[in-house]
This record gives sequence, structure tokens and C-alpha cells, in this order.
Amino acid sequence: QVQLVQSGAEVKDPGSSVKVSCRASGGSFSSFAIHWVRQAPGHGLEWMGGIIPLFDTPDYSQKFQGRVSITTDKATTTAYLELTSLKSDDTAVYYCVRIVTFPTWGQGTLVTVSS
Amino acid sequence: DIQMTQSPSTLSASVGDRVTITCRASQNISGWLAWYQQKPGKAPNLLIYRASSLGNGVPSRFSGSASGTEFTLTISSLQPGDSATYYCQQYNIFSWTFGQGTKVEI
Repeated sequence: QVQLVQSGAEVKDPGSSVKVSCRASGGSFSSFAIHWVRQAPGHGLEWMGGIIPLFDTPDYSQKFQGRVSITTDKATTTAYLELTSLKSDDTAVYYCVRIVTFPTWGQGTLVTVSS
Repeated sequence: DIQMTQSPSTLSASVGDRVTITCRASQNISGWLAWYQQKPGKAPNLLIYRASSLGNGVPSRFSGSASGTEFTLTISSLQPGDSATYYCQQYNIFSWTFGQGTKVEI
């Protein structure tokens, strides 16, 4: 059974960085991509980027290029999303998603950016 | 990028009604489409994947269909617990895109 467990909520100052983790179980970790999607309060779903651990070459949405980094640790079957230069409109729930047979979502991590 | 145009944006219906939501892709996505239900404060819940395959534990009143680049989610008999926002998602290419969402009110 594919499962994704994310790290807990974060409160960050504007201009700082945040790193969210997503531990995967079920299915071959290296073979299937992990993607990150965010949802700002009252808004829709927005794809940020993804990575296939086997190749470790991430692909990012143009919107976040230069501010986002997606990495993996194959030893712990964990993926990470790091977002830098945080602004108030980065306040959102961040989800990791993995498709083995069908999409499986993590429980979400609320990141609040506020001074 | 592939654009996903979802309609309607809101929908008001009664218990027992048959409801349809449509997503149109800007190019061929080869059936790589999912539908989700999302309730406030919760993660999206998978209803349909691969355009027409029912997700685990999803009631059979939910169904998905495809015709070319047009995809439809149907709820055959609307139930009170179906009040939610519904999203489509294409995952044909690595750069995913989502529809704008349809809020269903009962």
C-alpha cells in the first residue's frame, strides 16, 4: 500500500526558507516520481515540480524557478521540497503526490509566512 | 503547458439529481486524467483515475468518461455528503495541470 507521510506545520518569516519532507512507503521508491502541489487559502491546486528519484533530475514549474528545490534521499525513501525567499502569498498547504498505479497524496503541510 | 478548462465553476443541485462536471484539455492527454473531491480543510480525495477507473472505496455513483480531449465526471444520484469542490487533473506529461474547480452545493 502506497503511503506518503509529510512533516508538520511551519511558521516562517518573510524572506526565509522552508523545507518540507515527504516519506514514502510502498512501491519502488526510485522508480516512481514524487511531485509537489500547493494550495493557497481559498484557491485551487497548483503544481510546483517533481522528481524521479532514479534519475534525480527535478523539473520545476516556471513560476517557482530559482526559488524551489526538490531533492530525495533514497536511503530513507524521503523527498524534500525547499522554497526560499518566502513571501506572504506562499502561505499554503503543500502536498506531495506519487503515482504508482493511481495518484496517492500526502496529508499536507501548512506553511504560514507571516511576520 | 496543457490547459485544463473545467466547467461549471459552481453547481447547485438537489439530493438525487444526476450531476455532470466537464474538463477539456488543450491537447491530447491520452486518458491520463484524474478527478478529486475536496472538502474544506482536507486533502483532495481521489475519485477517478485514468479517466474512468474508480478509486479505492469510492461509491459507484461516481463515474468518469472521456471523448477525445473532453472528460466528464458524473454523480448519478447526488447525496448530502457530496457537497464539496471537485477538481480534474492531467498527468499525461510531467508538468501537471489542474482544472479551476467546481463547487457543488446541495
